[in-house]
Amino acid sequence: NAGVTQTPKFQVLKTGQSMTLQCAQDMNHEYMSWYRQDPGMGLRLIHYSVGAGITDQGEVPNGYNVSRSTTEDFPLRLLSAAPSQTSVYFCASSYAGQKNSPLHFGNGTRLTVT
Amino acid sequence: AQKVTQAQTEISVVEKEDVTLDCVYETRDTTYYLFWYKQPPSGELVFLIRRNSFDEQNEISGRYSWNFQKSTSSFNFTITASQVVDSAVYFCALSGRSGAGSYQLTFGKGTKLSVIP
Repeated sequence: NAGVTQTPKFQVLKTGQSMTLQCAQDMNHEYMSWYRQDPGMGLRLIHYSVGAGITDQGEVPNGYNVSRSTTEDFPLRLLSAAPSQTSVYFCASSYAGQKNSPLHFGNGTRLTVT
Repeated sequence: AQKVTQAQTEISVVEKEDVTLDCVYETRDTTYYLFWYKQPPSGELVFLIRRNSFDEQNEISGRYSWNFQKSTSSFNFTITASQVVDSAVYFCALSGRSGAGSYQLTFGKGTKLSVIP
């Protein structure tokens, strides 16, 4: 049982480059989300999705795009990377519409933008 | 808007000491859920406990216990007889409705616990 799988684990980008962080889950969870973790800031929600074809913005969406074409996958796109996007990114999933559902997290992607 | 405050940024204790991690929350929801997550040095996030707003009974799981007090909007976490393996960052989180109507999990900034042998 793989759970939530994120790739890559590490990535270095130059300012202005684009890339996609991949996230896949095999638990048939409808809810998926992306968080970024910065020192002293905790985890902040970037984007989330309550099902295929439905996405919405979280607390810090600027500079990121998402799409949800399948239940399993929820990629995060950086169109033009900036140093301020240097962070650790976590993808998470849970049962949608249930506030008592704990999030299942991937192992994170450490992104450095130079 | 909902908010979670973990006032303790870092705590250091000597092994076998008890330690309490504080969590204070704000929400307008009448029904909500509170969570604690652990992030060990390896970096993954591990779910520890979930508590709903109608259940104020304390919970104990081995050396871990949680004290939920609705009157003070607090959900504190105590580790008894701490061990080096407890060294981690601990996050408190609150589940509530976003402006769009779906549920979102709001995290505190975390408390880094260091247990010294």
